[in-house]
Amino acid sequence: KAGVTQTPRYLIKTRGQQVTLSCSPISGHRSVSWYQQTPGQGLQFLFEYFSETQRNKGNFPGRFSGRQFSNSRSEMNVSTLELGDSALYLCASSWASGVSTDTQYFGPGTRLTVL
Amino acid sequence: DAKTTQPNSMESNEEEPVHLPCNHSTISGTDYIHWYRQLPSQGPEYVIHGLTSNVNNRMASLAIAEDRKSSTLILHRATLRDAAVYYCILREGKAAGNKLTFGGGTRVLVKP
Repeated sequence: KAGVTQTPRYLIKTRGQQVTLSCSPISGHRSVSWYQQTPGQGLQFLFEYFSETQRNKGNFPGRFSGRQFSNSRSEMNVSTLELGDSALYLCASSWASGVSTDTQYFGPGTRLTVL
Repeated sequence: DAKTTQPNSMESNEEEPVHLPCNHSTISGTDYIHWYRQLPSQGPEYVIHGLTSNVNNRMASLAIAEDRKSSTLILHRATLRDAAVYYCILREGKAAGNKLTFGGGTRVLVKP
């Protein structure tokens, strides 16, 4: 079955712009989580959506937001881009939320460059 | 967030075993120990998980100390394809949802 897909794979924006990234989870998965990966901070949790509700949120400013649709696809939005937002944005999907034995499946990521 | 400590990097020769240690002295009784790895230019992928007993799967083995304050991921015969960053993560209870707290991980270099 198809894995987690993320679009676009690469994106270049300028400071002050906004961007929307998309994630399609594995069929049947209802949880989508988003992560930011940078060389300096490593992998950091942004937020998780489960059944269209934000389940958990990391320590990021309000410029970072997300949503989930009824088909479990998710989008994340970053407004007023800053140079420091340049990163690899990863999404992960799983069947349920909060099950400690559950596996998360990651997509290939979207590489965002802010100029 | 529960914290893990791993060496920054390790080297191994191809076809030899690799033992990757992880310290998690503040682990709680309900935390599961998960390992993920990230190959170059890819998202992380699940490797193995366990609670108290040692675990084996087709990718690796997980040895958990009796006091659960440390664990070791064992790759039995390293291949070039196993070169990756390996992350040891504690999965907390239901309240944490699916949040994974990644540390710095261990970068594994496999030499031919």
